[in-house]
Amino acid sequence: DAKTTQPPSMDCAEGRAANLPCNHSTISGNEYVYWYRQIHSQGPQYIIHGLKNNETNEMASLIITEDRKSSTLILPHATLRDTAVYYCIVRAHSGSNTGNQFYFGTGTSLTVIP
Amino acid sequence: GAVVSQHPSRVICKSGTSVKIECRSLDFQATTMFWYRQFPKKSLMLMATSNEGSKATYEQGVEKDKFLINHASLTLSTLTVTSAHPEDSSFYICSARDQSQGHYGYTFGSGTRLTVV
Repeated sequence: DAKTTQPPSMDCAEGRAANLPCNHSTISGNEYVYWYRQIHSQGPQYIIHGLKNNETNEMASLIITEDRKSSTLILPHATLRDTAVYYCIVRAHSGSNTGNQFYFGTGTSLTVIP
Repeated sequence: GAVVSQHPSRVICKSGTSVKIECRSLDFQATTMFWYRQFPKKSLMLMATSNEGSKATYEQGVEKDKFLINHASLTLSTLTVTSAHPEDSSFYICSARDQSQGHYGYTFGSGTRLTVV
């Protein structure tokens, strides 16, 4: 079952930063925060993940609060191609085949406006 | 990077027939693959975990006799929708884990849109 809460939709002006929040107040100490996005009629695409430190890659930045109960995905300069549904997922890592599943919540539909 | 290929991308079948969907990891071996279903404007719902060389593990409420999963090799998992009905029409997506990429090595296929008429 999904353990995250996200706003259903957001708009962002092209070229501006898009800040997508996620609440995961019941996150366990061994659970990571993952972000994926899904462009219409395609499979989800990995964006970034983190445990407790803030993370940055070529796509985005992930800010995790100190208590780890929430996080924010930041797209620094949103483009029209960033219009998609963004999913925040918490998941522990397991060496066995069980416990490695991703359970998707409802996500946030981000619309980048020209 | 890791690539997961799904085939077909789109299929229309008659009610009562069976449809097979393939999920291949193109440049890595995957001992575990996952199958999801997605209805329009809804989120992805995990259906089952496909384990190479053993039986699939189904999520609660998913009929294992209706959605047959076979993971016969380290690069191929198949989902067969048996005796399809219009309510099975959906977007089916597979995911595979590239263990060489560590814990974030989950790659998703591009999906298969099934329409049962």
